[in-house]
Amino acid sequence: EDQVTQSPEALRLQEGESSSLNCSYTVSGLRGLFWYRQDPGKGPEFLFTLYSAGEEKEKERLKATLTKKESFLHITAPKPEDSATYLCAVHLTDSWGKLQFGAGTQVVVTP
Amino acid sequence: KAGVTQTPRYLIKTRGQQVTLSCSPISGHRSVSWYQQTPGQGLQFLFEYFSETQRNKGNFPGRFSGRQFSNSRSEMNVSTLELGDSALYLCASSSGWLAGEATGELFFGEGSRLTVL
Repeated sequence: EDQVTQSPEALRLQEGESSSLNCSYTVSGLRGLFWYRQDPGKGPEFLFTLYSAGEEKEKERLKATLTKKESFLHITAPKPEDSATYLCAVHLTDSWGKLQFGAGTQVVVTP
Repeated sequence: KAGVTQTPRYLIKTRGQQVTLSCSPISGHRSVSWYQQTPGQGLQFLFEYFSETQRNKGNFPGRFSGRQFSNSRSEMNVSTLELGDSALYLCASSSGWLAGEATGELFFGEGSRLTVL
């Protein structure tokens, strides 16, 4: 059975304290791995899509990497506005339009 | 460029009623998918439409249905509402998910918050 597991469930950081979120997956065929950010009461905001092992993408203080078994979202020198729930999702081969999501990591950054 | 628009944003229904939610995708996007988000189950895929055809469906009962119009706008309907249907319903659009193409990007709307009493 295809599975997507995110860890930790919650993360509390001091402003400027860098950290990494993990998304591990066990799937039959990966077409792409997505990262989203979600603020309370809002829809997920697209961050990155990664397609192959070794790929990296960056956006401001965020950097996403992908291996054959997992993906990491690195947050460098976070600010309070980076507080959100971060979701990863996989798009499987022969699965049109469907993303399978992990449970998310809730990140709180304090000043 | 306008994003994905969902209406209504909030609604309250009672058990046994039905509800219809609407989604207007980003201009030029032909693929629309729907998700249900609850605290216990997270984000769960409902179905996906491309050019008015349902191409994929998640594991939800037949009370959940949808359709897509020729202008790519989509609606989903839930009949005979149950308490457990209370959730945030999210619509997402993409330029296309044709087999053999790269996945690209998938953009979500703000959602429709449904409360069933």
